Amino acid sequence: KAGVTQTPRYLIKTRGQQVTLSCSPISGHRSVSWYQQTPGQGLQFLFEYFSETQRNKGNFPGRFSGRQFSNSRSEMNVSTLELGDSALYLCASSKDASYGNTIYFGEGSWLTVV
Amino acid sequence: AQTVTQSQPEMSVQEAETVTLSCTYDTSESDYYLFWYKQPPSRQMILVIRQEAYKQQNATENRFSVNFQKAAKSFSLKISDSQLGDAAMYFCAYRSDFQGGSEKLVFGKGTKLTVNP
Repeated sequence: KAGVTQTPRYLIKTRGQQVTLSCSPISGHRSVSWYQQTPGQGLQFLFEYFSETQRNKGNFPGRFSGRQFSNSRSEMNVSTLELGDSALYLCASSKDASYGNTIYFGEGSWLTVV
Repeated sequence: AQTVTQSQPEMSVQEAETVTLSCTYDTSESDYYLFWYKQPPSRQMILVIRQEAYKQQNATENRFSVNFQKAAKSFSLKISDSQLGDAAMYFCAYRSDFQGGSEKLVFGKGTKLTVNP
């Protein structure tokens, strides 16, 4: 059974551009969440989706947005990129976000903003 | 808001020895989950072990066990018979029963574990 798949794995963008990252959860999983990992701030929760609805959102500016499709795949978008957005973006999925379900992570998308 | 603190940025252990990684957390909730995740150089977060707060018995998974002290809000990870493959960043994480179910994890800053042959 395939794990959580994130694309692209690596990308370089210029300041001011926008970027879209994609996440395909494990088959049968309906809940997806996103995290940003940086050396300075560590792992920070961005947002989570369940059945195409955003359930929870972290403390990030409005430039960060996401969505989930009917097949549970999710995308996150960052507009007007800043140097500080350079990070590893991790996607995670679980069966239905029920308390106690195991959360599985993808290998992440490395974003470098120059 | 919940916080998770890992006070050891780096730890090292000799192969086959035992090492304990520390984690403390702050919460006003009574029921929650605590996790230890391992992040090897590939950067994929791998679940090592988890503990539900209402269960008094400490969780164990093969060579990995925890010492959960709810009153002290402490959740340490013990790795026995350390292997070279255990070398990684280890993150302690907290998950609450927010809105009846949430994937939101609050992570500590991590502990880098080195295993010496």
